[in-house]
Amino acid sequence: DGGITQSPKYLFRKEGQNVTLSCEQNLNHDAMYWYRQDPGQGLRLIYYSQIVNDFQKGDIAEGYSVSREKKESFPLTVTSAQKNPTAFYLCASNGGGSYNEQFFGPGTRLTVL
Amino acid sequence: GDSVTQMEGPVTLSEEAFLTINCTYTATGYPSLFWYVQYPGEGLQLLLKATKADDKGSNKGFEATYRKETTSFHLEKGSVQVSDSAVYFCALSDRGDKLIFGTGTRLQVFP
Repeated sequence: DGGITQSPKYLFRKEGQNVTLSCEQNLNHDAMYWYRQDPGQGLRLIYYSQIVNDFQKGDIAEGYSVSREKKESFPLTVTSAQKNPTAFYLCASNGGGSYNEQFFGPGTRLTVL
Repeated sequence: GDSVTQMEGPVTLSEEAFLTINCTYTATGYPSLFWYVQYPGEGLQLLLKATKADDKGSNKGFEATYRKETTSFHLEKGSVQVSDSAVYFCALSDRGDKLIFGTGTRLQVFP
């Protein structure tokens, strides 16, 4: 089955440590996205990539970094510079077309202790 | 800039009640409009979509009509079930590269 996988589902880290969240898709989609979701808030865009080896900052990129070395993979690193990293992180991909429909992974809940 | 406004929740209903979740938008162009649903602890799933004025999106008994004159895309269902309990997000895509989401509306359906 085609889809998006994120791992791990739950992640715990100590304050000051960098952590990398995995996102893989086998939908052959060019565009991929990372969102952050906090309780009572909508999704906020962290970074997105429309093609391999290229990515752009979203609305809340500070304290995060990404890479896009392969079409199917778009890992997100939460650095120690991110002031409040505890959140639910969602990865999505988009195959283009007129609808611009995004497909989402199951999410990773990061808790920084 | 573009934005989406949803009614605040939670919306609490009894099973078989009629559901409306309001969504209005602001956009400079002619956006595509979406409703996504998020069940507890999961990612978002596309529920329905519409790409131009007067289009009606529908899926699993849910419907929403793209109203350009009122810049709205309200979600409706005639008879909700307990299994419909989730958070519903309205979203728009204007430039074809990013989605802009509302803050989400939690629906709670009781038997």
